[in-house]
Amino acid sequence: DSGVTQTPKHLITATGQRVTLRCSPRSGDLSVYWYQQSLDQGLQFLIQYYNGEERAKGNILERFSAQQFPDLHSELNLSSLELGDSALYFCASSYPGGADTQYFGPGTRLTVL
Amino acid sequence: GENVEQHPSTLSVQEGDSAVIKCTYSDSASNYFPWYKQELGKRPQLIIDIRSNVGEKKDQRIAVTLNKTAKHFSLHITETQPEDSAVYFCAASPGLTFGNEKLTFGTGTRLTIIP
Repeated sequence: DSGVTQTPKHLITATGQRVTLRCSPRSGDLSVYWYQQSLDQGLQFLIQYYNGEERAKGNILERFSAQQFPDLHSELNLSSLELGDSALYFCASSYPGGADTQYFGPGTRLTVL
Repeated sequence: GENVEQHPSTLSVQEGDSAVIKCTYSDSASNYFPWYKQELGKRPQLIIDIRSNVGEKKDQRIAVTLNKTAKHFSLHITETQPEDSAVYFCAASPGLTFGNEKLTFGTGTRLTIIP
């Protein structure tokens, strides 16, 4: 157990819908990262938040957005869902300032039908 | 941006033998190189990492080597066991640069240990 929690574990929804994925980082970690893992794209970095602020952006679609709240949990919002958005979504957390090590949560499996 | 290439994509090894997985990266600013093990449907689990000021690091049966000049790093697993069967990912990151620690992953190596 990495100490990073994610809910829900599984999500099945239809095209065009909107979903919210939730992540709670390890106690003391200020950075949260979101990654998408699909069969054809591998593990792709989406976005990083540090202490409530966006720090880095990767290959995140405009239909996707994220935020980190004062209690440091983070939410990834996916809207206008398409079949191709079906994937495993992981969040990871780390303590900044040189530690670098990112610990991954168990992931949310999103299936868009 | 950073590009990480990983080889081989699949690797079958007899139990007890060694396995080697190799990665190359493109961005000379990368300073942190972790390796993750992922079992089917599970989270990536950090198994070992190395920073650019170190050439080699070992943890029991697992070792990682880094050649910054050539921009490549390798994972070595000795005395392989059936539980080593999984997909292994290498990654690279600017690391010590505060606030820019995103990981760029290789495409993964599916390691199968043959009993």
